[in-house]
Order: sequence, then structure tokens, then C-alpha cells
Amino acid sequence: NAGVMQNPRHLVRRRGQEARLRCSPMKGHSHVYWYRQLPEEGLKFMVYLQKENIIDESGMPKERFSAEFPKEGPSILRIQQVVRGDSAAYFCASSRQGMDTEAFFGQGTRLTVV
Amino acid sequence: AQRVTQPEKLLSVFKGAPVELKCNYSYSGSPELFWYVQYSRQRLQLLLRHISRESIKGFTADLNKGETSFHLKKPFAQEEDSAMYYCALSGGGSQGNLIFGKGTKLSVKP
Repeated sequence: NAGVMQNPRHLVRRRGQEARLRCSPMKGHSHVYWYRQLPEEGLKFMVYLQKENIIDESGMPKERFSAEFPKEGPSILRIQQVVRGDSAAYFCASSRQGMDTEAFFGQGTRLTVV
Repeated sequence: AQRVTQPEKLLSVFKGAPVELKCNYSYSGSPELFWYVQYSRQRLQLLLRHISRESIKGFTADLNKGETSFHLKKPFAQEEDSAMYYCALSGGGSQGNLIFGKGTKLSVKP
């Protein structure tokens, strides 16, 4: 089991472009979580998804950000019209059940907006 | 408001010295508390959780509801313990939402 896989590891986008971050959960895991880490900050929860459903998006910015976890394929975090403030490390985690079971983290995608 | 506070950004100790990484939380219900560790160039991984009452790699953490603390302790630090440590809390159940502290970087010197 390769663990939670995130790609790309590093992503550079110009202001106004779109960023797509991918997360493949561990085998057998149907719960996916996205977190954002700004410099010098802790990880901040963004969204919690199960297959084809958004369970909790209370941490997602109201505009430009969206997430999906389709029946087939990885979970996608999409950021439209990126701005410099979106530069951060984005981490994905997966668990077999809810977050009170152990969650396994990916290595993160570092997004830089220039 | 739910909040996790790790007051120390950096903690530096010598090998063999005791270590205590502080964590305080603010939560109105019955939280579940976790410690995560991130070694250099590796992914974040669960170190321990309060409900399991385990000792992992010599680390222990006791939930003190009176002081709303969940400090991480180890009696004798090793160089391989050098890493970033994050305290986190969860409301449990289906909330699927971990609240993290800002992390403490532990540096164990030889």
C-alpha cells in the first residue's frame, strides 16, 4: 500500500490561472480531508469528502475553491483564478472511517503563485 | 471557539534530557486529542491519541481536562526525536475535522 499520494508535489501558477491538486487515498479508504498550511501556521481544515459527497466544507473559502471526490479516480482540490495569498502547502489525508479513526496524510502539494 | 495552542515554536534539548511539548486546547465538549509528528522530508504521521493511552517511541501524553492540556512527554530525548510536533483535537464522530496547533519544532542536540 503506497499510502496517500498527492500530485504534483510542487506547483507554480501565475496569478489568475487555475490550480488542480490531486489526492489518491490509501486503498480501502473512502474518507478524504484537505488541509492548508500557510507559512508559520498549523494545518487548517478545508473540506471533508466521502465518495461523491461533500460532508463538511466549513473551512473552504466561499469563492474560487472547490473539491470533489468522484466515484472513480482521485479527489481534486481546484482553485480558480489563483492569487498570491493562495500560496501554501495543501495536505490531503484519508481514513477508513471518520476522523476518529486514524487518518493518514500525504506528503502535500506546495503551491506557489507568482 | 475551538482552538489548540502550542506556545513554543522551537524547543531545543540535549540528548538524554527530558522533553515536554506543551499543548493547551479550548473545546466545549469532550474532545479527542492527538499528537502528530513530521520528521524531516517525511509526511505527517500520527504519534499517539489520548484514548489509546499508549506509549509510542517512549512518548506519553495525558489529557488533563481541568487544565485543558495534553502535553507530550518523554523522559530521555534521542537525536532521532528531532522533528515537528503538532497537537490536534477532534470533536470526534463524523465531524471529520481536526484542529491543529501551529506546531513545535523539537531539536535534540548530541
